[in-house]
Amino acid sequence: EVQLLQSGGGLVQPGGSLRLSCAASGFTFNIYAMGWIRQAPGKGLEWVSVLSDSGADTYYTDSVKGRFTISRDNSRNTLSLQMNSLRVEDTAVYYCVRRELPARHFDYWGQGILVTVSS
Amino acid sequence: EIVLTQSPGTLSLSPGERASLSCRASQSVASTYLAWYQRKPGQAPRLLIYSASSRAPGIPDRFGGSGSGTDFTLTISRLEPEDFAVYYCQQFETFGQGTKVEIK
Repeated sequence: EVQLLQSGGGLVQPGGSLRLSCAASGFTFNIYAMGWIRQAPGKGLEWVSVLSDSGADTYYTDSVKGRFTISRDNSRNTLSLQMNSLRVEDTAVYYCVRRELPARHFDYWGQGILVTVSS
Repeated sequence: EIVLTQSPGTLSLSPGERASLSCRASQSVASTYLAWYQRKPGQAPRLLIYSASSRAPGIPDRFGGSGSGTDFTLTISRLEPEDFAVYYCQQFETFGQGTKVEIK
């Protein structure tokens, strides 16, 4: 059974940092692209970042470029999102996702974790 | 960048009725890349349909997807109580704004 178990959310002040982690199991992690999607309160789904299976290629939505860094450890089947210079508008539930290629849909989702940026 | 526009914003229906949800793209989209998700309160989104018309594993056959080019449709043939939720379409890194299916 595919599982994506997230950790690391919480409350942080504007300008602060937070690191999200996602532990994957039940599939061959190193052959799948992975990513992060978020949903702000009362808003729709927003793609944040995607990472290729090898980790060599990374993609970010414009609003987080230069502030967020996605990474993976294929030896430990983990995905991470380092979030720096956090803004109030980054407040959202963040989901770890597995991306199916070539169709590029997101076939498995983590349970979601809340990140609150507030003073 | 492609924009996906979903309509209606809210659909009020009764259990047993048929639901048709629309997703319109601002430019032509290959069907391969169009997916639909269901989002219930307190739960992670769930993949329903990929490549416009293929059901994800474990998805009941009352859910169906169709369309091509710029117009795509998610159809729920007979609404069950557990189907009342918000539905999103997606293509590449873009999501539609969602359609809420609520109990009438």
